[in-house]
Amino acid sequence: SQKIEQNSEALNIQEGKTATLTCNYTNYSPAYLQWYRQDPGRGPVFLLLIRENEKEKRKERLKVTFDTTLKQSLFHITASQPADSATYLCAAPRRSNYQLIWGAGTKLIIKP
Amino acid sequence: GAGVSQSPSNKVTEKGKDVELRCDPISGHTALYWYRQRLGQGLEFLIYFQGNSAPDKSGLPSDRFSAERTGESVSTLTIQRTQQEDSAVYLCASSPLGQGEDQPQHFGDGTRLSIL
Repeated sequence: SQKIEQNSEALNIQEGKTATLTCNYTNYSPAYLQWYRQDPGRGPVFLLLIRENEKEKRKERLKVTFDTTLKQSLFHITASQPADSATYLCAAPRRSNYQLIWGAGTKLIIKP
Repeated sequence: GAGVSQSPSNKVTEKGKDVELRCDPISGHTALYWYRQRLGQGLEFLIYFQGNSAPDKSGLPSDRFSAERTGESVSTLTIQRTQQEDSAVYLCASSPLGQGEDQPQHFGDGTRLSIL
């Protein structure tokens, strides 16, 4: 079945360093991937979208890559800050009906 | 309002009771989605409304779950004869255009449902 997988272990990063989160997809090739941020008790908030024909997308301190060979997207936060601490979710649409499939999210903790 | 609004924010009820959850999407958004999020898990699609088209109910886990939407406005998700396994956060999202467009979804903060 089509799956989106993210590392379920929390990622601890020192403030100022670059945080890198991974999203792997299996058994299909999505047309695009989306990344969202979710804070405790809140709904997800959209961050970035990258299409299959784009290798990289940037927005301020955020960068997303899409590697169709590795079937993977990487999400980078440069110069990380404690305020970046949250759970980051990736999602990608099914080819058949565009319904988003969601990863379980990776909890990012930025330590001062 | 500026964003998607959901009510109630928390609901505690006894097993066997019916519950109704409400979602007010962003004005002008034609697409509306309901998801379920269990602790530590990804979002699980439940149902999708697009304009006046028949809803995509393929994600509803059982016939105890149903949802309605009035035009392009408010939606309600109803769970009948609640079970403990229904305990989760129910999230609603809306987007300007339909599911086939590569656009972000805008989420409410969810209803945290606890079944005793």
